[in-house]
Amino acid sequence: GAVVSQHPSRVICKSGTSVKIECRSLDFQATTMFWYRQFPKQSLMLMATSNEGSKATYEQGVEKDKFLINHASLTLSTLTVTSAHPEDSSFYICSAPELLNPTEAFFGQGTRLTVV
Amino acid sequence: QKEVEQNSGPLSVPEGAIASLNCTYSDRGSQSFFWYRQYSGKSPELIMFIYSNGDKEDGRFTAQLNKASQYVSLLIRDSQPSDSATYLCAVNEETDSWGKLQFGAGTQVVVTP
Repeated sequence: GAVVSQHPSRVICKSGTSVKIECRSLDFQATTMFWYRQFPKQSLMLMATSNEGSKATYEQGVEKDKFLINHASLTLSTLTVTSAHPEDSSFYICSAPELLNPTEAFFGQGTRLTVV
Repeated sequence: QKEVEQNSGPLSVPEGAIASLNCTYSDRGSQSFFWYRQYSGKSPELIMFIYSNGDKEDGRFTAQLNKASQYVSLLIRDSQPSDSATYLCAVNEETDSWGKLQFGAGTQVVVTP
């Protein structure tokens, strides 16, 4: 299947700093990518839909000024957690459906963010 | 609010037995349904997807969909210790947003040797 690469896989940052997470589709194009967050022992919750060349669509309750999403090309979306706080510590996962065959979404490896 | 419901488990299954996982969803307009397996600390990996009512088999896995009852299930035959994981049911809510998934809370499966 197609490959979605997510980096970094693990990051520790200090409170108040910003962290950028990258999600790349390696062998296919994706006009849309999705960002999920997963707290321990909970399921994946959709945060936002990243749209290539336009603004992201955020789910209810997700602060768009805190979680900045940029989808500058057909293979790259970035999520920046700004002014991170310990409660932002979570597992962040991106996914992308293939543009030409969008029936399946491929997941990145996930990013474990720890804010200290 | 649209919901996807699963029993959290843990579901304990003897090695070699059949594991039966259930999932119900509230949005009658849902079109496609997915089962993912997630190991601790890892990203979900797709096991199966199903779009039509009935059964779909892939190796040791069988997905069953009943849209009238808004119910989808997963059977794992000949369960192995490596099948111990959390199984996530996911639903695609909108036909024009492929890949946008709503997940259930997951069922933890423990296969005992």
